[in-house]
Order: sequence, then C-alpha cells, then structure tokens
Amino acid sequence: GQQLNQSPQSMFIQEGEDVSMNCTSSSIFNTWLWYKQDPGEGPVLLIALYKAGELTSNGRLTAQFGITRKDSFLNISASIPSDVGIYFCAGRVSGKLIFGQGTTLQVKP
Amino acid sequence: EAGVAQSPRYKIIEKRQSVAFWCNPISGHATLYWYQQILGQGPKLLIQFQNNGVVDDSQLPKDRFSAERLKGVDSTLKIQPAKLEDSAVYLCASSRGTGEAFFGQGTRLTVV
Repeated sequence: GQQLNQSPQSMFIQEGEDVSMNCTSSSIFNTWLWYKQDPGEGPVLLIALYKAGELTSNGRLTAQFGITRKDSFLNISASIPSDVGIYFCAGRVSGKLIFGQGTTLQVKP
Repeated sequence: EAGVAQSPRYKIIEKRQSVAFWCNPISGHATLYWYQQILGQGPKLLIQFQNNGVVDDSQLPKDRFSAERLKGVDSTLKIQPAKLEDSAVYLCASSRGTGEAFFGQGTRLTVV
C-alpha cells in the first residue's frame, strides 16, 4: 500500500533558526496536507497543496508540492518556542488520506 | 463554524470489554474518517465514509472493530472485545470531499 516517509524523525533547534522537513513516497499523490499536533490534541491543519509545483505560505510556514507529485516539504522560518510539536504530512490518493510518521520539533529558547 | 466533536475524551476499560466512540463532523462535510494513533506514530486510517457509505475499510480489524454512519452525519466506532494493543488515541476527521480534513480532539483509550 501507499506509504509516506517523513524526515527527519526529530529536530532540536535554537529559537530563531529556520527548519525544513520533508515527506516522500513511491506513490503519486493528488493533495498534500501539513498538520501540527500538540500533546493531547488532534492534528491541526497548517497548509494544503493541490497542484504539482505549488508553493504556499501561511505566516512563517511555507510548503511545496513536489513536481513529481511524490514529495512535499515544509519550511518554518525564524522558529519560536510555540512551534514545538509534532508535524505530520498527509497525502491523498484515490480519495484516501494517509499520514507520515511525523517530525518532532523541539525549540530551545 | 463548530469543529469536529468527539466523545468521550478519555476511556479506560479492561481487556475483553467493549467500548464505543462517537463523532459529530463539521456540518456539511460528506466525508468522515476514523484514525487510530498509537503513541509515537502517525495516524492510521481505519475507515472512511462518504455520506453513509464506506469508501475504505481495508485496515479496519473487522473481527473486533465496527463503525457506522447513520443518516450520513454522526458516526460511532465500536471495539468488541478490546485487546491491550487497542490502547491508542482514536481520531475522527471530516472534509467536504477530497479537500482539507479537519480533526476532533480524539478519544484516548487505555485497555488494562
């Protein structure tokens, strides 16, 4: 079945640094979604991407839909302590929405 | 606009008991998903509904899990009998179609 490989698995950075994480697959996806999950809460949608090559921003967050439709990346600029959490990519194919394993981000003030 | 509502938030049961979770999606959202999230992992799709029909249930352990979505709105997910490995957070999400999916807060199940 379809699988999403998300990397890195975890990151520990200094406040103010930029962050980059990505999601890859051997399958082609029609939609890429990026979520953030805080402890004890459900995932919250950050950015949605619908076209190959699309680049979308949401504040300090920027995400891109890969040209091959098999990957996506998320950048966070000038990280702040509240960026701490687990970031998930999700890809939609044949109507199903499947998730990567997550990138845990820790920010040191 | 109200978000996805789930209940209960927490549930502790003994193995071999049964349990049910409830989800009320965002109004107007035809697609409803149930995910299982084991600690330290990404959400795993259990079942997906389009209105009250099942789109995908290939990863639902049908010998013990069942789900229904009567009238294409609310949904319930049931586990009977529960096993220790069913301890997880059960997340419900909804979307208008193939667009953005929005999640509820989840139900944390502990099986002892």
